[in-house]
Amino acid sequence: SQQGEEDPQALSIQEGENATMNCSYKTSINNLQWYRQNSGRGLVHLILIRSNEREKHSGRLRVTLDTSKKSSSLLITASRAADTASYFCATGTGFQKLVFGTGTRLLVSP
Amino acid sequence: ETGVTQTPRHLVMGMTNKKSLKCEQHLGHNAMYWYKQSAKKPLELMFVYSLEERVENNSVPSRFSPECPNSSHLFLHLHTLQPEDSALYLCASSQDRRTGETYEQYFGPGTRLTVT
Repeated sequence: SQQGEEDPQALSIQEGENATMNCSYKTSINNLQWYRQNSGRGLVHLILIRSNEREKHSGRLRVTLDTSKKSSSLLITASRAADTASYFCATGTGFQKLVFGTGTRLLVSP
Repeated sequence: ETGVTQTPRHLVMGMTNKKSLKCEQHLGHNAMYWYKQSAKKPLELMFVYSLEERVENNSVPSRFSPECPNSSHLFLHLHTLQPEDSALYLCASSQDRRTGETYEQYFGPGTRLTVT
């Protein structure tokens, strides 16, 4: 069954605003990862948070993980037009297997 | 795009053709992956190779045949495909440190496949 589901499916904001995307999953994980994909291109790894971590930062990105609720959120602060992309969460369940969600399409307007 | 490269970037083939997709990684990784990305569907893991051994085969039809001759190269051989196989095929690589943890993956730009 599908592991990660992102919410919302689409998000439209203005430059400078913050964007928050959520991910829910169903089974035990060893880590959760977020990726970005520009239209029709390959995915780019953004950040990895381990199951024993609750929060992680990388530049303008902040990721939280709540294993009791089986959910994660990705916050992009002070968004830019260049942040326009699809964002995917992926759960690591061991042995090099990642299960991806359906993604959130983010549109940042100038 | 010097990390993971894929060729061709676009491919149009008939249902009776045979073609191959190629992936090469320049990152020194020892695990490689094929994914299928179709519209409105999550990314689907097709095959995983670790240390050149196939360790995952997610019930992929036999018309898709992977080959991993060494840790830097991965192929996907295609034959007698169906129109529903049209999709973006993504290759990725990572380092398998044999700890059981899933490490970050590095993706190529993909091959856009259209089956007519």
